[in-house]
Amino acid sequence: RKEVEQDPGPFNVPEGATVAFNCTYSNSASQSFFWYRQDCRKEPKLLMSVYSSGNEDGRFTAQLNRASQYISLLIRDSKLSDSATYLCAVRKGFQKLVFGTGTRLLVSP
Amino acid sequence: GAGVSQSPSNKVTEKGKDVELRCDPISGHTALYWYRQRLGQGLEFLIYFQGNSAPDKSGLPSDRFSAERTGESVSTLTIQRTQQEDSAVYLCASSHATQTGTGASGANVLTFGAGSRLTVL
Repeated sequence: RKEVEQDPGPFNVPEGATVAFNCTYSNSASQSFFWYRQDCRKEPKLLMSVYSSGNEDGRFTAQLNRASQYISLLIRDSKLSDSATYLCAVRKGFQKLVFGTGTRLLVSP
Repeated sequence: GAGVSQSPSNKVTEKGKDVELRCDPISGHTALYWYRQRLGQGLEFLIYFQGNSAPDKSGLPSDRFSAERTGESVSTLTIQRTQQEDSAVYLCASSHATQTGTGASGANVLTFGAGSRLTVL
């Protein structure tokens, strides 16, 4: 089983839609969680950290479910500019940061 | 510089040749990672340096791959006797000293370089 798993998609949604991605992780001792965004042929950039109590940044909401070992990303009112690949990343303590393979989102007019 | 700098940005080489990729992390960042990303694929962990600790080399795919880091500065990734399957973008990332917890500070957050695109003919 992979350490971090994501549905590769693509998720095709119209502008204005709400879309959610999940990311499951296998190590129950994982402590740090992140969502990164990667545009085509560009490097990944941090979208948001995921806090235990859940957190929101504008149209983006991230949540952590420790019992079921997954994190989620919700995007409301999708924009064309949200089209990208969304990577989750998980770390245990001081160990390496492990990325999922990414979920591709395509927002259409 | 302000960001993570990688060189060369593009490298085309012949099968069997050695290549060296360079990464200049953000000043003060003690953690440095190398990842590999093949076309249309996710980020594959290669190696992780954290301060003076022994590097985590668990992701290096074969003994043809090696990496070094001088103190808390420049890192080089060397691929010997390159093969066609080595063709990929090699991404370097750095961060402040990692911490436990869910990223309440800027620690743990990686800043990536633009990558070195390697093509092995």
